[in-house]
Amino acid sequence: DVKVTQSSRYLVKRTGEKVFLECVQDMDHENMFWYRQDPGLGLRLIYFSYDVKMKEKGDIPEGYSVSREKKERFSLILESASTNQTSMYLCASSFSEGNSPLHFGNGTRLTVT
Amino acid sequence: GQQVMQIPQYQHVQEGEDFTTYCNSSTTLSNIQWYKQRPGGHPVFLIQLVKSGEVKKQKRLTFQFGEAKKNSSLHITATQTTDVGTYFCAGLAGNQFYFGTGTSLTVIP
Repeated sequence: DVKVTQSSRYLVKRTGEKVFLECVQDMDHENMFWYRQDPGLGLRLIYFSYDVKMKEKGDIPEGYSVSREKKERFSLILESASTNQTSMYLCASSFSEGNSPLHFGNGTRLTVT
Repeated sequence: GQQVMQIPQYQHVQEGEDFTTYCNSSTTLSNIQWYKQRPGGHPVFLIQLVKSGEVKKQKRLTFQFGEAKKNSSLHITATQTTDVGTYFCAGLAGNQFYFGTGTSLTVIP
């Protein structure tokens, strides 16, 4: 069974802090994604990656960056956290074929105070 | 830009009643996937539809993909309390999945 593991379930950070959200998958998936989930807005794509050291912007990349140094790990970085980045962050992975389902991690609920 | 609208946002039903959620895309989709997210959980893949007009069933759940591949629906017959959660559609356009805003289903026993 596919396992996508996010390093923290809950995180509280202060405005201006640099925040790292880590995601690891164990199924050798080529694709990895970072979404944020907010009430009434559904899941919005922040960044995605189709290969190691490759990244592409999603719909809402502002204020975020990502790193994919190894195939199994995809990190989301908030360079200077702000209160409007308080949200649920979901990592997902999939095989490279366009019809492959997404496998999600349990999510990280980030609160920026 | 690409948008996938999903209605209704919330639905409360009595146990045993039917439930339907609808997705509409502004552009033609390559395929559409459906996910269920239980309260406190993460989205879990349910099914994928690829062909125009395709209909698939999973027990009490019926999924349809429109002829123009711009809309889709999920219908649950005779809801049960285990159906509680948020249902999301996700349409593939280009190389990216676009998620609907989700429909939160509450089932009243």
